[in-house]
Amino acid sequence: AQTVTQSQPEMSVQEAETVTLSCTYDTSESNYYLFWYKQPPSRQMILVIRQEAYKQQNATENRFSVNFQKAAKSFSLKISDSQLGDTAMYFCAFMKHTYAGGTSYGKLTFGQGTILTVHP
Amino acid sequence: EPEVTQTPSHQVTQMGQEVILRCVPISNHLYFYWYRQILGQKVEFLVSFYNNEISEKSEIFDDQFSVERPDGSNFTLKIRSTKLEDSAMYFCASSDWTSGYEQYFGPGTRLTVT
Repeated sequence: AQTVTQSQPEMSVQEAETVTLSCTYDTSESNYYLFWYKQPPSRQMILVIRQEAYKQQNATENRFSVNFQKAAKSFSLKISDSQLGDTAMYFCAFMKHTYAGGTSYGKLTFGQGTILTVHP
Repeated sequence: EPEVTQTPSHQVTQMGQEVILRCVPISNHLYFYWYRQILGQKVEFLVSFYNNEISEKSEIFDDQFSVERPDGSNFTLKIRSTKLEDSAMYFCASSDWTSGYEQYFGPGTRLTVT
């Protein structure tokens, strides 16, 4: 079974600054995906960024980037130029590679979440 | 942009009653999921559904739970006899055949069992 651990229950950052959220995971799988989801106060789950385990290059999406360390089973999220709208709960999630119907799919295993507050 | 929708947004029910939570996944999606989130806790997987059958379910998804895709557009979660501990936010998600790993979540249904 996979486990995902987020050791920072809460983080805060000043607007325009950079913040890094930590995530570690445990798995015996070699092929998998990792994700960061954002959950604002509306509680809608929004995909922020995705990383395929077989790719060495770290994923980036505009102000969001990850530091993926496969051997260490670490997957941190860096948010640059933080904005007030980034205030939310952030969840790290793991998905085992299961192939069917022409693509990979499967259940997401989530960490406990980190509440990020961006201060003006 | 297409989105997953869920109804109702909030459901209040009495313990022991049956509830059906409804989801309309994005129209060309093939993989469907239910997750739940008890207030203040992490999101937990309940069940995945592909090709008109359950592909995986968690320990939480016991005989009190069932899922159905009755008409090719709706995807429902039924809880037969609700318990107090079923109070949670229930999220539906779906993904398509080109990027099945990317799950799109609905806004959730808040279930309150009294």
